Amino acid sequence: GIQVEQSPPDLILQEGANSTLRCNFSDSVNNLQWFHQNPWGQLINLFYIPSGTKQNGRLSATTVATERYSLLYISSSQTTDSGVYFCAAPHGSGNTGKLIFGQGTTLQVKP
Amino acid sequence: ETGVTQTPRHLVMGMTNKKSLKCEQHLGHNAMYWYKQSAKKPLELMFVYNFKEQTENNSVPSRFSPECPNSSHLFLHLHTLQPEDSALYLCASSQDNWREAQHFGDGTRLSIL
Repeated sequence: GIQVEQSPPDLILQEGANSTLRCNFSDSVNNLQWFHQNPWGQLINLFYIPSGTKQNGRLSATTVATERYSLLYISSSQTTDSGVYFCAAPHGSGNTGKLIFGQGTTLQVKP
Repeated sequence: ETGVTQTPRHLVMGMTNKKSLKCEQHLGHNAMYWYKQSAKKPLELMFVYNFKEQTENNSVPSRFSPECPNSSHLFLHLHTLQPEDSALYLCASSQDNWREAQHFGDGTRLSIL
């Protein structure tokens, strides 16, 4: 099945800094999702991004499907950005399939 | 507020107990999911329901029994669980199928004594 790898596994930033998180996937996909899980366990869908670039406030994501990677950019980081960031790629066909999640990048933003 | 509500938020139970987790979504979605998240592991899909029909069972032990009475509600019935079943159980929904954007509830943190 498809492999999803994220890097770096851990990241510590000073508030206000920018960062880039990477997601590599082993097979061609037609969409990619990014999620943020806060320290209380709440998992929020940040982006559903088949290809190209999407922006949402200080966050943006780019997926280059032909090269099998996606990037999540966080600008002017805030302490509330802390948590774990997951990417997930679809695996399956027809009515049977599932999202395969990466191991996550744990981000800590220090004040 | 994601539009997906899970209850209870926390549950402690003995191995011989029977309990149920509840998930309700207010998004008008037709697909619902149960995931398990153990410490230091990626999210694992357990079950998928499309239009109330189960379309995926990811080799889940029979001590976990899902129920989907309608497109808005999903239950996970628990019986004779093991200590290794302690985890965060997350419910999610998407518009029609597994390829679409999934939106998660806050989860139920389950501890088995």
